[in-house]
Amino acid sequence: GAVVSQHPSRVICKSGTSVKIECRSLDFQATTMFWYRQFPKKSLMLMATSNEGSKATYEQGVEKDKFLINHASLTLSTLTVTSAHPEDSSFYICSASATSGPIGGQETQYFGPGTRLLVL
Amino acid sequence: GQNIDQPTEMTATEGAIVQINCTYQTSGFNGLFWYQQHAGEAPTFLSYNVLDGLEEKGRFSSFLSRSKGYSYLLLKELQMKDSASYLCAGMDSNYQLIWGAGTKLIIKP
Repeated sequence: GAVVSQHPSRVICKSGTSVKIECRSLDFQATTMFWYRQFPKKSLMLMATSNEGSKATYEQGVEKDKFLINHASLTLSTLTVTSAHPEDSSFYICSASATSGPIGGQETQYFGPGTRLLVL
Repeated sequence: GQNIDQPTEMTATEGAIVQINCTYQTSGFNGLFWYQQHAGEAPTFLSYNVLDGLEEKGRFSSFLSRSKGYSYLLLKELQMKDSASYLCAGMDSNYQLIWGAGTKLIIKP
């Protein structure tokens, strides 16, 4: 199946610094990637939809200037948490959309392993 | 509005069968997904249904009824490692996933 990687898997940073998280589709091209955030014991929360070569679409309540998304190629999207604060500590998960199936019509999202961010 | 409902928690015995139900309301419909998520890890894809009926994949099967807005995930021959959260997600007309809150499945020996 399709593989999505994330780097780093875990990061600890000081308050006020910026952190970049990479999401790569390893064996397929993804025109669309998604960034999620998960709080403990809660469902995934979609932050933004990233389309290659265009600006990301952010969900309501997500600050686009704080969570910068760049989808520079068909295999790489990055999420930069700028001026991180302790409340930004969370589990960040990306997914990439691939089309598969015998007639190529099945859209499936494949998830990266996630990045655990801790802001001190 | 769009909504996905599934039970919060279920308990089952090792070796038994368990069925996790999911009802959905989405703006348009492009399929129903089931994901498994172990604590502290990202979800992993289990199944995808877009046509009515049962899809079997080893010990796991998924069923869809579009007319009823209903799906279930069936797990057979339960193993301790199946203890996890199971997430139901509907894909709407914009190919966006609408997530349920997840069902925590506890397997007892």
